[in-house]
Amino acid sequence: DSGVTQTPKHLITATGQRVTLRCSPRSGDLSVYWYQQSLDQGLQFLIQYYNGEERAKGNILERFSAQQFPDLHSELNLSSLELGDSALYFCASGQGDRVTDTQYFGPGTRLTVL
Amino acid sequence: AQKVTQAQTEISVVEKEDVTLDCVYETRDTTYYLFWYKQPPSGELVFLIRRNSFDEQNEISGRYSWNFQKSTSSFNFTITASQVVDSAVYFCALSEALRGSTLGRLYFGRGTQLTVWP
Repeated sequence: DSGVTQTPKHLITATGQRVTLRCSPRSGDLSVYWYQQSLDQGLQFLIQYYNGEERAKGNILERFSAQQFPDLHSELNLSSLELGDSALYFCASGQGDRVTDTQYFGPGTRLTVL
Repeated sequence: AQKVTQAQTEISVVEKEDVTLDCVYETRDTTYYLFWYKQPPSGELVFLIRRNSFDEQNEISGRYSWNFQKSTSSFNFTITASQVVDSAVYFCALSEALRGSTLGRLYFGRGTQLTVWP
């Protein structure tokens, strides 16, 4: 168990809908990273937050947004969902303030868009 | 740009065989960080090892060993006396220092599916 929690574990929804994925980092970690894993693209970085502030952005669609709250949990919002958004979404956490950091991953949320 | 290549898509071995998973990376940074993660059938990503570019010492942890060769930009992973429980997808990843002081995003290879047969 990495100590990173993600909910829900599975999510099935329809095209055009909006969903929210939730992540709680390990105790003591200030940084949260979101990744998407799909058969087409593999594992791709979406966005990073550090202590409530956006730190880095990757291949995140405009339909997607994220935030990190004062208690350090993070939410990834996916809207106007398309079939191609079906993927496994991972959250990882790390200390975020040193190069000796390591990212520890949560169990993932499997999103299926029908 | 950062890039990680895992040329072996799938590998099958019989229990007790040794197996090496290859990882080749590309980066312009002089300081960078390499990782291996394991994704078992249950789906989670499990951290295995981290290596800094300025530390070329190879590492052994039980049946696992890692061979980092800067000259060939490779960071290969060997499992000795493989077991059925080693069956998983293994990912190699690369990261750089963000603003020189923190770890940046991970760039992942496409992974190698290892199947160990009894």
